[in-house]
Formats: sequence, structure tokens, C-alpha cells
Amino acid sequence: LAKTTQPISMDSYEGQEVNITCSHNNIATNDYITWYQQFPSQGPRFIIQGYKTKVTNEVASLFIPADRKSSTLSLPRVSLSDTAVYYCLVGDTRMDSSYKLIFGSGTRLLVRP
Amino acid sequence: DAGVIQSPRHEVTEMGQEVTLRCKPISGHDYLFWYRQTMMRGLELLIYFNNNVPIDDSGMPEDRFSAKMPNASFSTLKIQPSEPRDSAVYFCASSRDRVNTEAFFGQGTRLTVV
Repeated sequence: LAKTTQPISMDSYEGQEVNITCSHNNIATNDYITWYQQFPSQGPRFIIQGYKTKVTNEVASLFIPADRKSSTLSLPRVSLSDTAVYYCLVGDTRMDSSYKLIFGSGTRLLVRP
Repeated sequence: DAGVIQSPRHEVTEMGQEVTLRCKPISGHDYLFWYRQTMMRGLELLIYFNNNVPIDDSGMPEDRFSAKMPNASFSTLKIQPSEPRDSAVYFCASSRDRVNTEAFFGQGTRLTVV
């Protein structure tokens, strides 16, 4: 079974770069790793998705090493509005070939002025 | 599009009562997901549908839980009978063309069973 591990919380200051790592072993071989952001009283919101190496969009970068046992979400120059919980999401292909999506436990990011 | 629409936003019910949560996915999306979120267990996938057909319901905790998708624009999650441990926020999400792609979540239904 795939398992994910994320830091429970992180603190940062406005303008800094924040890197949040998710460890995930036994994930589906040919599947994407996805990250979501969640604000209080809202549903998760998609940030970025990647399969390997590096992916960048207008809000974040995602780094995935060759062994795909972890992924790092990088938020450049965070602002107060980036205070939220961040989740990784991976796919798990089981022995019976069934497929399951597994959310990480979430990292609570606090951005201070 | 208005996004994924869930109703009700809040539900308070007594133990033993039937609860029905509703979801309207984004038009054109082939996949629909039901998640449950609690402090203890985080975000858990309960069930997902592809083109209105349930694909994986292994996350449904017990027979008290059931989900249906009678058409492409509507799904329900029913709990009968409800128990206090079912108290959680239930999210519905939809995605376009594969199971692990950008999913759009609704605002959730906060269920409290007393």
C-alpha cells in the first residue's frame, strides 16, 4: 500500500520561498503526483501536477526525483494569502490491480508578515 | 460554469436518521468523487464514478453508506442510519477525463450527527 508523509506544519515569512516535501512510497508507476491547497471552510484547490523531474506553472513548481519516492512543492515568494493547508495526492495500484487515490495528511503553512 | 455544487452546506441530524447529501458536478466532467474529511483521518476517498458508473467504493466505511449517480449532472451520498461518528465534512469533486487529474471540489457539506 502506498503511504504518504508530510510535515505537520511549517512557518515562513512573506517574500520567502517555501518548500514542502511529501514522501510517498509504492505509488502507482505510471501516475501523476498532485498537490492541492485548502483554505478553512473550503474544498481543496488544485495547485500543480507532475510525473517526473520538474514542472512549473504560474503559482508553484513541483520537483520529483527519478525514484519518485518523494515530491517537493515549491512556493516562490509567499504572501500572507498563501497561509493554508497543502496536500499531496498520489495514486496507488493494488495487488489486485485496483487503483486508489490517497491524500497526504496535509502540511499547515503559516506565513507571517 | 458555477463549479461543483453541493447541498446542503450544513446538516444537523439526530442519530438514527437518514441523511442525503447532494452534488452537481461540472458539466462535461466524466469523473465524480465523494470524499470525507475529519481531523482524525484527514481526507478520505469514499467512492468515485466514471461516466455515472461506480468504479471503486472500497472507501465506503460501512453498508450504512451508499452513493448513486443517476445521471451525469447529479449524485447523492446517503447515510442510513446515521451515527455520531459520521460527523465530518463531505466533499464532492469532479474531473474531466481521467481519475488522477485536476479535480474541482465543491464547498462541502458539514454533517453533524447528535
